[in-house]
Amino acid sequence: DIQMTQSPSSLSASVGDRVTITCRASQSISSYLNWYQQKPGKAPKLLIYAASSLQSGVPSRFSGSGSGTDFTLTISSLQPEDFATYYCQQSYSTLLFGQGTRLEIK
Amino acid sequence: QVQLQQSGPGLVKPSQTLSLTCAISGDSVSSNSAAWNWIRQSPSRGLEWLGRTYYRSKWYNDYAVSVKSRITINPDTSKNQFSLQLNSVTPEDTAVYYCARGKPTMVRGVIITDHFDYWGQGTLVTVSS
Repeated sequence: DIQMTQSPSSLSASVGDRVTITCRASQSISSYLNWYQQKPGKAPKLLIYAASSLQSGVPSRFSGSGSGTDFTLTISSLQPEDFATYYCQQSYSTLLFGQGTRLEIK
Repeated sequence: QVQLQQSGPGLVKPSQTLSLTCAISGDSVSSNSAAWNWIRQSPSRGLEWLGRTYYRSKWYNDYAVSVKSRITINPDTSKNQFSLQLNSVTPEDTAVYYCARGKPTMVRGVIITDHFDYWGQGTLVTVSS
């Protein structure tokens, strides 16, 4: 099975910071990688699909890049509403989520 | 605007069957471009995809290996909804369960990738006597 490893597992940052979260697959998954944001008590929300395509309605400060085994989610300028947990999800084989990155206010 | 509304009990006894329903508005369970998924989340297992049903001239189901012997996902075209049944539950099945719409990409009849663009509100299901 393909394993997904997110890093860091938690991150403290300030409003206005540029933040990067990484997801690494144990083998190549082409561009079959999606990113979600989850706030406490809510369902995950799709941000990025196919590694770099911005989901409709998602602010342009969110971007995704990568292919093969290494992927990144970047938030160009953190806003107060961006403090949440972020998950990657591979769809190359069995649909599998990463363990999450908790983004907290510094 | 697609909306998914979940319903079902929040408490199930061990060895019994967990049953949840997801009612769809703004799309059709028989859509030729969507797939209808169940996903659960627990502190110990994180987010875990359980399975999906979809229609492409006929009905198909895919299930996660971890639950394949215990799970059934069924569409209900008359009510535009789909359901989850998980048999022989144990406390390990305690989780928040979500339904979600998938937008799979298919090549020659095979799903090669998928992402979940609409989610239900989630149902906390506790397995306890």
